[in-house]
Amino acid sequence: EPEVTQTPSHQVTQMGQEVILRCVPISNHLYFYWYRQILGQKVEFLVSFYNNEISEKSEIFDDQFSVERPDGSNFTLKIRSTKLEDSAMYFCASSAQGGDEQFFGPGTRLTVL
Amino acid sequence: GQSLEQPSEVTAVEGAIVQINCTYQTSGFYGLSWYQQHDGGAPTFLSYNALDGLEETGRFSSFLSRSDSYGYLLLQELQMKDSASYFCAVRDRGGGFKTIFGAGTRLFVKA
Repeated sequence: EPEVTQTPSHQVTQMGQEVILRCVPISNHLYFYWYRQILGQKVEFLVSFYNNEISEKSEIFDDQFSVERPDGSNFTLKIRSTKLEDSAMYFCASSAQGGDEQFFGPGTRLTVL
Repeated sequence: GQSLEQPSEVTAVEGAIVQINCTYQTSGFYGLSWYQQHDGGAPTFLSYNALDGLEETGRFSSFLSRSDSYGYLLLQELQMKDSASYFCAVRDRGGGFKTIFGAGTRLFVKA
């Protein structure tokens, strides 16, 4: 069964450093998303991406964040200068239809020290 | 603003039926989804309602009333493995496919 994959599973970084989180969405999906979840809290929407551009972003997704689809399979989230409060689980998701049944990857746990 | 409200915790016994309610307040509305998340795992899609009524998928059913801005997830014949967090989520009607999640309901299934 096709699945969304994410690497790395865990990333530890120093405050102020740049990180790139990687995702491979399901191959025939056209809509891609990034979410974050602070431990024990709800899933928060960061950004949606369709047709090689951002469709919508939340207020969390400020200038420190960017997304890219560098080739036909990868979808990345970059945080330019990490802050302590960026520590969270970051989930990538994809869907065949916009916003509907979304398939989530296993997540990357980001720890900022 | 946009908000979804669901109970924080529900406890039930194996074999029972449990209903998890969700009320939403959004600037636009396109559909209501439900996701299951086990501890340490990723959210897993359960169901999606765009129209009023009941959708049934095996032991799980989901209901939507657009006029009441209300929906629920019904879990029947509860099993221990159903112990997880359940999130309702609303797809915003804006063109950007933004999905807003509720705070989640932690379901504890007891033997």
